[in-house]
Amino acid sequence: DGGITQSPKYLFRKEGQNVTLSCEQNLNHDAMYWYRQDPGQGLRLIYYSQIVNDFQKGDIAEGYSVSREKKESFPLTVTSAQKNPTAFYLCASSIAGQPDYGYTFGSGTRLTVV
Amino acid sequence: GENVEQHPSTLSVQEGDSAVIKCTYSDSASNYFPWYKQELGKGPQLIIDIRSNVGEKKDQRIAVTLNKTAKHFSLHITETQPEDSAVYFCAASRSDRDDKIIFGKGTRLHILP
Repeated sequence: DGGITQSPKYLFRKEGQNVTLSCEQNLNHDAMYWYRQDPGQGLRLIYYSQIVNDFQKGDIAEGYSVSREKKESFPLTVTSAQKNPTAFYLCASSIAGQPDYGYTFGSGTRLTVV
Repeated sequence: GENVEQHPSTLSVQEGDSAVIKCTYSDSASNYFPWYKQELGKGPQLIIDIRSNVGEKKDQRIAVTLNKTAKHFSLHITETQPEDSAVYFCAASRSDRDDKIIFGKGTRLHILP
């Protein structure tokens, strides 16, 4: 079955450490997205990529970095510069150039800073 | 750019009653309006969508209506059941350019026994 996989489901980080969240899809989608979700805040776009080796900042990119070396993979690194990283992170994918076919979301990674 | 407003932020309805969630959008060129359902601890899932050449679409107990003139669209859930309890997001996008879907802030729906 085609889908989008995020790992791990739960992640704990000590303050001052970088951590990388994994997102893999086998839907042959060109576009991939990272969202952050906080209670009552909806979905806020961190980064997105329409094609391999290219990505753009979203609304809240500060303190985050991404790479897109393969079509299937779009890892997100939460750096120590992100002041309040505790949140639920969602990855999504879509057919590039066709936003009217919707997004497919992963099941999310809950990151907690301890 | 596009802006999507969603109301209410929280909605409680008695089991068996209907629920309505409303959204407005700002970009008159938007022509695709999906709705997502997010259950606790999971990612959002597309439940229904509508394109601007259609005024209403129905799928069993859920329906979406679109008023292009007023730039608003609504989700209707009839005969609500406990499993309808979730957060619902509306969204809008335009297909004439390679752009992102813009989401509303979500509505938390509680189905009361």
